[in-house]
Amino acid sequence: NAGVTQTPKFRVLKTGQSMTLLCAQDMNHEYMYWYRQDPGMGLRLIHYSVGEGTTAKGEVPDGYNVSRLKKQNFLLGLESAAPSQTSVYFCASRDATGIIFSGANVLTFGAGSRLTVL
Amino acid sequence: TQLLEQSPQFLSIQEGENLTVYCNSSSVFSSLQWYRQEPGEGPVLLVTVVTGGEVKKLKRLTFQFGDARKDSSLHITAAQPGDTGLYLCAGNTGTASKLTFGTGTRLQVTL
Repeated sequence: NAGVTQTPKFRVLKTGQSMTLLCAQDMNHEYMYWYRQDPGMGLRLIHYSVGEGTTAKGEVPDGYNVSRLKKQNFLLGLESAAPSQTSVYFCASRDATGIIFSGANVLTFGAGSRLTVL
Repeated sequence: TQLLEQSPQFLSIQEGENLTVYCNSSSVFSSLQWYRQEPGEGPVLLVTVVTGGEVKKLKRLTFQFGDARKDSSLHITAAQPGDTGLYLCAGNTGTASKLTFGTGTRLQVTL
């Protein structure tokens, strides 16, 4: 019963370095999301995917790229890290049933990945 | 621009007190959810409300969705230390598969 697993949990980067965060879910969910969480700002959507091979931009996509080559995996990439990307990143997934979120159609989150860019 | 504003941002109360957290927006949402997040973990869903004026109770927690579906509130009766955490509201416009989160309310309940 792993649910949503994020790796790595912690990472420190220098400005300009690149890295990839991996999100894996074992619930056969269609939809996957990447959020970043900063103090006083709640969760902001970076990119999301409504199915294998598809991606779309969220509220704050600049500086990030994503890929969904396999249904169970959603990768978030930083090509050239900047201090403004220091944050906690959360991946989430949900079933595709219906557009409107209901009690039976909820987001399952990973435990987060804390990224520090020096 | 944050679509969903929560107030207060921080709340520190003693065990047994009551409190209300507000979630406000100028947008209409087809559904609204409340999550609670503990340190080092992802948010966990508490409730979903979909009908304007709807009230849902979950033990000591009461959730209300505004009549116009633009705002919501979370009321906790007789708070306990176990209620400590970050409370997040999140709304769905129904036109896409996205959920927009509020700014969050950090609650601390002390003995």
